[in-house]
Amino acid sequence: EVQLVESGGNLVQPGGFLRLSCAASGFTFSSYWMHWVRQAPGKGLVWVSRINSDGTNTANADSVKGRFTISRDNAKNTVFLQMNTLRPEDTAVYYCARSQAGGTYYFDSWGQGTLVTVSS
Amino acid sequence: SYVLTQPPSVSVAPGKTARITCGGNDNGRKSVHWYQQRPGQAPVLVISYDNDRPSGIPERFSGSKSGNTATLTISRVEAGDEADYYCQVWDSATDHRVFGGGTKLTVL
Repeated sequence: EVQLVESGGNLVQPGGFLRLSCAASGFTFSSYWMHWVRQAPGKGLVWVSRINSDGTNTANADSVKGRFTISRDNAKNTVFLQMNTLRPEDTAVYYCARSQAGGTYYFDSWGQGTLVTVSS
Repeated sequence: SYVLTQPPSVSVAPGKTARITCGGNDNGRKSVHWYQQRPGQAPVLVISYDNDRPSGIPERFSGSKSGNTATLTISRVEAGDEADYYCQVWDSATDHRVFGGGTKLTVL
């Protein structure tokens, strides 16, 4: 069974940093692209970042470019999101999701999410 | 950046048909995927590549596209279909995935 389990969400002050993790199991992790998608309270889904299968190529939404970094450890079946210079508008549930390699593929599995709250 | 437009809400009586649209200025040349998100849960794929239904998704769910508007159709709507629905595409110009704003389906 495919499982994605996020962790690392917390309350952090504006300007602070946080590192999210997503542990994967039940599939060949190194064959899939991985993504982070966030959802602010009461709002819609917003794609944040993605990383390719071997970690050599990433893409980020304009709203997080230069502040967030996605990475992965295929030996540990884990994808990370390093979030720096956090802003109140980054407050959201952060989901990790997988897709097959390539741009047109859909998100076929999602984790349950981890809550990040940015507030003083 | 690419924009997908969905109606904020759609209401339908049980047993009737719900249609949720997703507009984008180049949707005709993109693959549109649809997700269902029930309250407090993670999204679930219900339609891929405009009209493919994943295994486990009821046949009542179908997708179509006409010009630049994609449509998710839910036939014989049930109370359990009440959820938020999102369309999604890949914007090749930016290599970004894009979601529509979401549509709240209410079963009357």
